[in-house]
Amino acid sequence: KQEVTQIPAALSVPEGENLVLNCSFTDSAIYNLQWFRQDPGKGLTSLLLIQSSQREQTSGRLNASLDKSSGRSTLYIAASQPGDSATYLCAAPWGNDYKLSFGAGTTVTVRA
Amino acid sequence: GAGVSQSPRYKVAKRGQDVALRCDPISGHVSLFWYQQALGQGPEFLTYFQNEAQLDKSGLPSDRFFAERPEGSVSTLKIQRTQQEDSAVYLCASRTNQETQYFGPGTRLLVL
Repeated sequence: KQEVTQIPAALSVPEGENLVLNCSFTDSAIYNLQWFRQDPGKGLTSLLLIQSSQREQTSGRLNASLDKSSGRSTLYIAASQPGDSATYLCAAPWGNDYKLSFGAGTTVTVRA
Repeated sequence: GAGVSQSPRYKVAKRGQDVALRCDPISGHVSLFWYQQALGQGPEFLTYFQNEAQLDKSGLPSDRFFAERPEGSVSTLKIQRTQQEDSAVYLCASRTNQETQYFGPGTRLLVL
């Protein structure tokens, strides 16, 4: 099974600071890696999906990198805003590439 | 268009009761997934359907858990003789043949 770990578990930053969220995985034969956002009491919203052939993916203020050799992905959020406060989860597929293995998430608080 | 919907959003059950959780996937999505999310953890895979066929139920924690998708659209996750350790958020996701899974808001189950 693909094991996914996220560090830190929680992060608090002042508004405007850049955020760096880390994700590590055990099986480097990764098919893709996804980053999700989860707001309290809500489901998951897909933010970015990086294919194994890609090194990074960008969407607005979000940038995610993938380094298969080291088993790591990093999500960067530029110029954080209070609305970015949420839990961010990374996930990688395993078992014929359909079921996702998730990290426990990093809970981000952006202070106004 | 409409996203994945789940009902009920909240369910309180007495230990030993049976519960049924419903998922309405995005129209036309072939694949459907159920995940279980314990407090403070990432979601854990339960089961996977492709159309009406249940191709993987390896994540179901016990034989008290049963899932079906008889017409290849709506799915129901049933838990018989609920136990306190079944308390969690149950998430449903669907996708086409592309990789991104779209999640519903979840059903929060509390077993007393």
